[in-house]
Amino acid sequence: DAKTTQPNSMESNEEEPVHLPCNHSTISGTDYIHWYRQLPSQGPEYVIHGLTSNVNNRMASLAIAEDRKSSTLILHRATLRDAAVYYCILSRPSGGSYIPTFGRGTSLIVHP
Amino acid sequence: GAGVSQSPSNKVTEKGKDVELRCDPISGHTALYWYRQSLGQGLEFLIYFQGNSAPDKSGLPSDRFSAERTGGSVSTLTIQRTQQEDSAVYLCASNTGPFGVYEQYFGPGTRLTVT
Repeated sequence: DAKTTQPNSMESNEEEPVHLPCNHSTISGTDYIHWYRQLPSQGPEYVIHGLTSNVNNRMASLAIAEDRKSSTLILHRATLRDAAVYYCILSRPSGGSYIPTFGRGTSLIVHP
Repeated sequence: GAGVSQSPSNKVTEKGKDVELRCDPISGHTALYWYRQSLGQGLEFLIYFQGNSAPDKSGLPSDRFSAERTGGSVSTLTIQRTQQEDSAVYLCASNTGPFGVYEQYFGPGTRLTVT
């Protein structure tokens, strides 16, 4: 199975950038890299995803290493609303379907 | 528009009873996933429906778990003879295609407690 490794927790100050790392050394060429976040008592929320190239959207940026064995989610200016558990997920095609493998997630604490 | 909805939001049941959990995906979404999240843990994939294709059941933990999707829309996850280790939050998600390519929308979950 394609597994990911993330730090259990990270801390940041409000309005500072945050770099959340994820290792996925067993990634295969067809695996997509997804990031979702989960606020307390809510379902996960999509943040960003990519395959090989770096990606940017209104929420964050995704930097993917050249060998694809690691990636970094970048929140350019953390806010208190960004405090959540962030999941780095690989999606591996399996017989035509895409089966996600979730990491343990990183709990991001944002200090005012 | 309406997002993914799940019912009930909370369910308490006695060990050995059967339970049914419902998921209403976003209209038009052909892909539907069920996950389980135990306390303090990440999400565990259970089952995946894509259109009219046979579901991928590779994540179901035992034969006590089953799911169906009627008319390509509403899905029901059934747990027979519940055990205490089945206590978890059960999450449903839908999207317009396979997870790898498309953004996935999650429901709020059903918290199941087996006493």
